Amino acid sequence: AQKVTQAQTEISVVEKEDVTLDCVYETRDTTYYLFWYKQPPSGELVFLIRRNSFDEQNEISGRYSWNFQKSTSSFNFTITASQVVDSAVYFCALSEAAGANSKLTFGKGITLSVRP
Amino acid sequence: KAGVTQTPRYLIKTRGQQVTLSCSPISGHRSVSWYQQTPGQGLQFLFEYFSETQRNKGNFPGRFSGRQFSNSRSEMNVSTLELGDSALYLCASSLDVGGAGYGYTFGSGTRLTVV
Repeated sequence: AQKVTQAQTEISVVEKEDVTLDCVYETRDTTYYLFWYKQPPSGELVFLIRRNSFDEQNEISGRYSWNFQKSTSSFNFTITASQVVDSAVYFCALSEAAGANSKLTFGKGITLSVRP
Repeated sequence: KAGVTQTPRYLIKTRGQQVTLSCSPISGHRSVSWYQQTPGQGLQFLFEYFSETQRNKGNFPGRFSGRQFSNSRSEMNVSTLELGDSALYLCASSLDVGGAGYGYTFGSGTRLTVV
């Protein structure tokens, strides 16, 4: 069975600090997909990134970067120079396969508060 | 292009009643998945519909059901509501069945309160 663990529940930082959100996953499949979503107070899940299990390249998008390490089953997310608008709940999710049985398994989420 | 539209945004129902929630996917997307979000259980998969057929189902009682229409719009129904059904219900749209390979786009959700 697939499982996603986000051990951090709440993180509070001051604006302009860097912050890393941890995600550890468990799966028996060799092909899988990892996602990060952001949930602002409005409730909508905003897609941030999708990564398949064969692509271990780290990715940077503006102030956001992701570190995927299969050896430690981790897919961590770093926000550089955080801003108040980054305050939200962040979810890491795993899908074991593309196909009729695929579904997203989410971690419990990390509430990030960025103080001015 | 328009995103995923869920209606209504808020709903208050009484225990024992039934409720129907609606989701219109992004134009051209043929798969619709439903998720329940509660403070205790987090985000949990309910079911996925593609080509008007349920393709995958999560671990929820039979009171939770859904359907998909020929235009890909989907509805989910919860019968005999219980207090524990109070949750944010999120719909996700994807290009094809098993959306992981294509990505999922979520709507803003329907917040259901059962009193």
